[in-house]
Amino acid sequence: AQTVTQSQPEMSVQEAETVTLSCTYDTSESDYYLFWYKQPPSRQMILVIRQEAYKQQNATENRFSVNFQKAAKSFSLKISDSQLGDAAMYFCAYNAGGTSYGKLTFGQGTILTVHP
Amino acid sequence: DTEVTQTPKHLVMGMTNKKSLKCEQHMGHRAMYWYKQKAKKPPELMFVYSYEKLSINESVPSRFSPECPNSSLLNLHLHALQPEDSALYLCASSPTQGLGGYTFGSGTRLTVV
Repeated sequence: AQTVTQSQPEMSVQEAETVTLSCTYDTSESDYYLFWYKQPPSRQMILVIRQEAYKQQNATENRFSVNFQKAAKSFSLKISDSQLGDAAMYFCAYNAGGTSYGKLTFGQGTILTVHP
Repeated sequence: DTEVTQTPKHLVMGMTNKKSLKCEQHMGHRAMYWYKQKAKKPPELMFVYSYEKLSINESVPSRFSPECPNSSLLNLHLHALQPEDSALYLCASSPTQGLGGYTFGSGTRLTVV
């Protein structure tokens, strides 16, 4: 079965600084997607960034970038120039074909606090 | 329209009540999902509909009954719930059942008293 592990229950960062959130996953599939979702207290699950496993280039979305290490099954999220609005719960998630077709598997989440 | 709309946003119901949650999208997505989320926990998949047909039921108790009347609408009918069913219920959609492209609604906060 596929699993997603986020080893940091909580992280904090100073405004304008950089923070990295860790995620590892376990799978036997060769074709899959990885995601980082942000869930603020408003509850909306917001897609931050997406990475297709077949792409070697790391995805980037403005201040958010990933370090995708396929062989190590690692998928970390770097937030640059942190802003107060980045404070939220962050979930790493995995999606593949095969027997898990259409199912998103989430990690346990990391609560990010941003200090002014 | 790039949103998934869920109603109501909050719902309080007794254990003998019958209520329904509604989810709507107009993005032309053909796969829709129900997730249950407890506080400070990740969402857990409940049901998947693909082309209006139930594709996945994650062994959810029968007191939860999903319905997909058309490609834009997904309902979750609730009956005889227990207090432990209190949670945030999230709806999501994707172009097809498969890889990537999920859009989530903002959820219904359900409290069972």
